[in-house]
Amino acid sequence: AQKVTQAQTEISVVEKEDVTLDCVYETRDTTYYLFWYKQPPSGELVFLIRRNSFDEQNEISGRYSWNFQKSTSSFNFTITASQVVDSAVYFCALSGTGGFKTIFGAGTRLFVKA
Amino acid sequence: DTEVTQTPKHLVMGMTNKKSLKCEQHMGHRAMYWYKQKAKKPPELMFVYSYEKLSINESVPSRFSPECPNSSLLNLHLHALQPEDSALYLCASSGGAMAYEQYFGPGTRLTVT
Repeated sequence: AQKVTQAQTEISVVEKEDVTLDCVYETRDTTYYLFWYKQPPSGELVFLIRRNSFDEQNEISGRYSWNFQKSTSSFNFTITASQVVDSAVYFCALSGTGGFKTIFGAGTRLFVKA
Repeated sequence: DTEVTQTPKHLVMGMTNKKSLKCEQHMGHRAMYWYKQKAKKPPELMFVYSYEKLSINESVPSRFSPECPNSSLLNLHLHALQPEDSALYLCASSGGAMAYEQYFGPGTRLTVT
């Protein structure tokens, strides 16, 4: 069975603080795909990043960075110098071999205060 | 164009009504999805169409009936819904072939009275 755990239900930070959102996954598939999505108050989910199981390279995109570690089954997401516009619910998600069936974690609600 | 559109944005229907949700994408994606999302919960997969064929049905009640008329369009036909079916219904599409990241529409907020 596949599972995604986002242990942090809500995080509150002050603008310009760095924040890390944790994601731990479980799967028996040898090929799988990990994702992060952002859902702002408007409701539309926005794709942020995909990582394939065979690519453990970390990635940085502007203020966003992702740390993928297969040894600990984790795919953590860090926002550097957070801004109010980063306030949203962030979902970590997992697709196994075949790719279409996507399991979402419970989500982490991030509040960034000015 | 990375947009997925959904209509209507809001829908209120009685338990005896029949209505349809519509979704459209023009990204040339070959897979399309329906999700249901309750407040403060993650999206739950309902259906997946791949190359216009139903690929996944997550044991969804028959009062929800999906349809994929062509590769750009996805419908969800609703009939005899229950109040607990009230939720945000999200449509998404993906390119397939290892490009499984999904692009979501804004959703239809459904209220069943």
